[in-house]
Amino acid sequence: DGGITQSPKYLFRKEGQNVTLSCEQNLNHDAMYWYRQDPGQGLRLIYYSQIVNDFQKGDIAEGYSVSREKKESFPLTVTSAQKNPTAFYLCASCRANTIYFGEGSWLTVV
Amino acid sequence: AQSVSQHNHHVILSEAASLELGCNYSYGGTVNLFWYVQYPGQHLQLLLKYFSGDPLVKGIKGFEAEFIKSKFSFNLRKPSVQWSDTAEYFCAVTPSGGSYIPTFGRGTSLIVHP
Repeated sequence: DGGITQSPKYLFRKEGQNVTLSCEQNLNHDAMYWYRQDPGQGLRLIYYSQIVNDFQKGDIAEGYSVSREKKESFPLTVTSAQKNPTAFYLCASCRANTIYFGEGSWLTVV
Repeated sequence: AQSVSQHNHHVILSEAASLELGCNYSYGGTVNLFWYVQYPGQHLQLLLKYFSGDPLVKGIKGFEAEFIKSKFSFNLRKPSVQWSDTAEYFCAVTPSGGSYIPTFGRGTSLIVHP
């Protein structure tokens, strides 16, 4: 089945630790995105990449980092510098001007 | 940069009631418009989209939306809601052409009582 796979679905981490969320797609899409979803705030763009080895900051990039070494993969690292990391993270990809989403990853930092 | 405003944050309806969710955007050029739905515990799914042509677009599950360019609006409608329509609905906009960076509204939580 083609799609976007995010892992893990649920993740707990202690404050001060970096954590990496995986996003893999087999749709052959060029563009990939990371959004953060918080109650009442909708989806906010963290980073996006329109081509391999290139990525751009979104609206709330501080405390996050990404890489795009392969077309299929766009991992997101939540660093200890992110002040409020507990959230639902959504990876997406785009083709023909339409965004498709993965199932999301819940990150809880305690 | 574009922005999206969804006026209704929480909507509660009884089954068979009609639904209209408001969405307005601000952007000076041509746009593509979308509505996404997120059912409880599920990922976001595309309901419908507008790129060009007939401003009244029909999506899945009986939903439709009308693009009114003069009002910068793309309201979502359904004549008769069902309990299974309980979900969060997001409007999104992206400029046509150039870098494709969608902007989402804050979402509308819809609860349908049986």
